[in-house]
Amino acid sequence: NFMLTQPHSVSESPGRTVIISCTRSSGSIASNYVQWYQQRPGSSPTAVIFEDNQTPSWVPDRFSGSIDTSSNTASLTISGLMTDDEADYYCQSSDDDNRGVFGGGTKLTVL
Amino acid sequence: EVQLVQSGAEVKKPGESVKISCKASGYSFNTHYIAWVRQMPGQGLEWMGSIYPGDSVTQYSPSFRGQVTISVDKSITTAYLHWTSLKASDTAFYYCARQYDYGSWFYPWGQGTLVSVSS
Repeated sequence: NFMLTQPHSVSESPGRTVIISCTRSSGSIASNYVQWYQQRPGSSPTAVIFEDNQTPSWVPDRFSGSIDTSSNTASLTISGLMTDDEADYYCQSSDDDNRGVFGGGTKLTVL
Repeated sequence: EVQLVQSGAEVKKPGESVKISCKASGYSFNTHYIAWVRQMPGQGLEWMGSIYPGDSVTQYSPSFRGQVTISVDKSITTAYLHWTSLKASDTAFYYCARQYDYGSWFYPWGQGTLVSVSS
């Protein structure tokens, strides 16, 4: 099966924009939907992006998702960073048999 | 409101068995996959497996096949994760999550169940 690789950590200042990448090891990133989850310490994960670029109704439009087939990478973009965005972020996809795959997670620090 | 409520924390000894639960409400239980996800202390999320309640067909990650059993009781809209012989390395938080559609996102998630295994 394929793997999803994320940077271990990223940091950016409040008000700026950060992009978190998620690279698929084999097969096309466009073959299966990519989701992004936010997990704050002591809490369950919650989705911030689903089906590559869809935003749940409760998520502010500062969050957006995209895929790039040339680099086989999905990206989560957070603009107008707020200290409340500080969390771990995980990308996730499924193979054609609906077996789930998570990326290793990225710790976002807003400083 | 769509909701998944998990059973409480478990403290066990190596070799013991345990079954944790995930009670679903607010949607058609039979027509959405339920997945189980492990998070070891300080580590990332790992997909363990999933079950389709309508026909109880299960899928497991190779890392977890033979180590755990996923099941459901449709009459009480509850999914289960069961170990017959725990190891210290099974110590982790375990989350259940409803999969909205085939190949799609997990929403919502349960609150998590901590399983601690120590002699």
